[in-house]
Amino acid sequence: TQLLEQSPQFLSIQEGENLTVYCNSSSVFSSLQWYRQEPGEGPVLLVTVVTGGEVKKLKRLTFQFGDARKDSSLHITAAQPGDTGLYLCAGDDSGAGSYQLTFGKGTKLSVIP
Amino acid sequence: EAEVAQSPRYKITEKSQAVAFWCDPISGHATLYWYRQILGQGPELLVQFQDESVVDDSQLPKDRFSAERLKGVDSTLKIQPAELGDSAMYLCASSFLGPSGAYEQYFGPGTRLTVT
Repeated sequence: TQLLEQSPQFLSIQEGENLTVYCNSSSVFSSLQWYRQEPGEGPVLLVTVVTGGEVKKLKRLTFQFGDARKDSSLHITAAQPGDTGLYLCAGDDSGAGSYQLTFGKGTKLSVIP
Repeated sequence: EAEVAQSPRYKITEKSQAVAFWCDPISGHATLYWYRQILGQGPELLVQFQDESVVDDSQLPKDRFSAERLKGVDSTLKIQPAELGDSAMYLCASSFLGPSGAYEQYFGPGTRLTVT
């Protein structure tokens, strides 16, 4: 089982600030996905990155996959209260023979108005 | 937009009772997953189905948990008897090959189980 470490575990910032969340592993992933989860709801897929060095943008969110496909980052510009939630990264374990995701423990983000 | 359906959304049960959760994946998704998520943690896989067959149930506590997907469409996860430590969010997901060329998982809203 490949392990994913997310940092920081908790983050509380003021509205309008920028932030970066990290997802690291010692193993290589075929792809990596980022989810956002609100309390009492299921995770919602934000993005899938596949190629080493790939950068994807989703409005104020920028996702980057490391060149070696072992790590990823999520940068949020000018955070809004609506960005509050648990951000989860998940790596594709398809090298094990069937498509499975290994999840990090998440970063709990609070954006204060 | 197609979604994964789960019911019930909330369930409160007493320990030693039986409880069941239902999931209907996105139409056409052959692979279905059940996860358990402790508050503030990432989801942990319990069981994976490909059509009606179990692909991986290595993390399913088989003395009390069972899962089935008889016709390869909807699925049921059962706990009998429930224990206090089973209190968690139970998530169902289904997957398909996305436009990025990688498989992507889509989650339902979950069932929040509280065992008293």
